[in-house]
Amino acid sequence: ELKVEQNPLFLSMQEGKNYTIYCNYSTTSDRLYWYRQDPGKSLESLFVLLSNGAVKQEGRLMASLDTKARLSTLHITAAVHDLSATYFCAYGANSKLTFGKGITLSVRP
Amino acid sequence: NAGVTQTPKFQVLKTGQSMTLQCAQDMNHEYMSWYRQDPGMGLRLIHYSVGAGITDQGEVPNGYNVSRSTTEDFPLRLLSAAPSQTSVYFCASSFSGTSYNEQFFGPGTRLTVL
Repeated sequence: ELKVEQNPLFLSMQEGKNYTIYCNYSTTSDRLYWYRQDPGKSLESLFVLLSNGAVKQEGRLMASLDTKARLSTLHITAAVHDLSATYFCAYGANSKLTFGKGITLSVRP
Repeated sequence: NAGVTQTPKFQVLKTGQSMTLQCAQDMNHEYMSWYRQDPGMGLRLIHYSVGAGITDQGEVPNGYNVSRSTTEDFPLRLLSAAPSQTSVYFCASSFSGTSYNEQFFGPGTRLTVL
């Protein structure tokens, strides 16, 4: 059974500091996705990671993929309030995705 | 392009009633899917389709039916609503022609079953 585990499930971040959140998945191959969801909203695509060692960056967010360890990380640089949201990782392809439970990030002054 | 659209946005049903959640996309995507989101559970796949006329079950298909008669539309039918089907439902679509296979999500339908 394919599983995706995210930790921690909730993270309180201080403005200006750096943080890393993790996504472990249980099998190999395919794609690893990161999404952001604001309360009451739909999912916004952040990154799609295809291969081992893949690194993508957008603003203060950087995602990486280690297929051998079955691990993806999302690094947050100098957290700001606008990053407060729930972040999901998901694994799979072709509209068959398995999602983690999500990590809710809250940035405090 | 309108992207992925879903109707209705909100719906309240009584136990035993039936209804259809509508999903449409105008991006000519082959792949479409339905997910439900419950608090603390992430999103779970209900049904998916790899093209017109082809559908298959996901992780939580019981109580739901789908059909895909056109590329654009992928309706989700609840035959006899139950309180356990209270959830937020998201439709998604993607194109097979790129390696990234980015998934596009609709705005969601919030369903309450009393």
